[in-house]
Amino acid sequence: SYELTQPPSVSVSPGQTARITCSGDALPKQYAHWYQQKPGQAPVLMIYKDSERPSGIPERFSGSSSGTIVTLTISGVQAEDEADYYCQSADSSGSYWVFGGGTKLTVL
Amino acid sequence: EVQLVESGGGLVQPGRSLRLSCAASGFTFDDYAMHWVRQAPGKGLEWVSGISWNSGSIAYADSVKGRFTISRDNAKNCLYLEMNSLGAEDTALYYCAKEVTVTVFDGAFDIWGQGTTLTVSS
Repeated sequence: SYELTQPPSVSVSPGQTARITCSGDALPKQYAHWYQQKPGQAPVLMIYKDSERPSGIPERFSGSSSGTIVTLTISGVQAEDEADYYCQSADSSGSYWVFGGGTKLTVL
Repeated sequence: EVQLVESGGGLVQPGRSLRLSCAASGFTFDDYAMHWVRQAPGKGLEWVSGISWNSGSIAYADSVKGRFTISRDNAKNCLYLEMNSLGAEDTALYYCAKEVTVTVFDGAFDIWGQGTTLTVSS
């Protein structure tokens, strides 16, 4: 079955830029979406269709795609951005969806 | 206010069945595809199943295919998940989620409920 691979953890100091990657063989064909989840809360859509930002999401969150890797970039990281981040996409035929294993972002 | 409220979770014995429900409000339910996503305790997110706005397209994760059935009642603004042959591996918090774009079935979820907990144990 199809898998998306994320680093388990990323650490960054406040004000710096955090980059969280997600790799998958079908990413050149399928859009990726990114979610933020804080403890005890439901996930929040941060980026969809690789780089679209839903209304209400701060501009410091952006997404990009290059081949089999998509990247969530958080510019000027704030303490409130500390959370788990998940990428999501579909298999090559668009038959089902999967989430990456998640990346814990720690703000030092 | 756009809202999704899940219900129907609980403690069930292995091998038994259960039906989850998700009540939608604050948006035109029959314009959007809907999905179920689960999260086992301390683990990551797992997509479970999705259904298009008109029930014409349905998809399942391999882990639940043949055991779970997704359905919707657009007249009642409700999404359902019928779960059979439950096992310990199905223990999780189950979320329902709405697609961000009308009529498409492409897996970006902008609205999530707070989830309902299923525990499978004897």
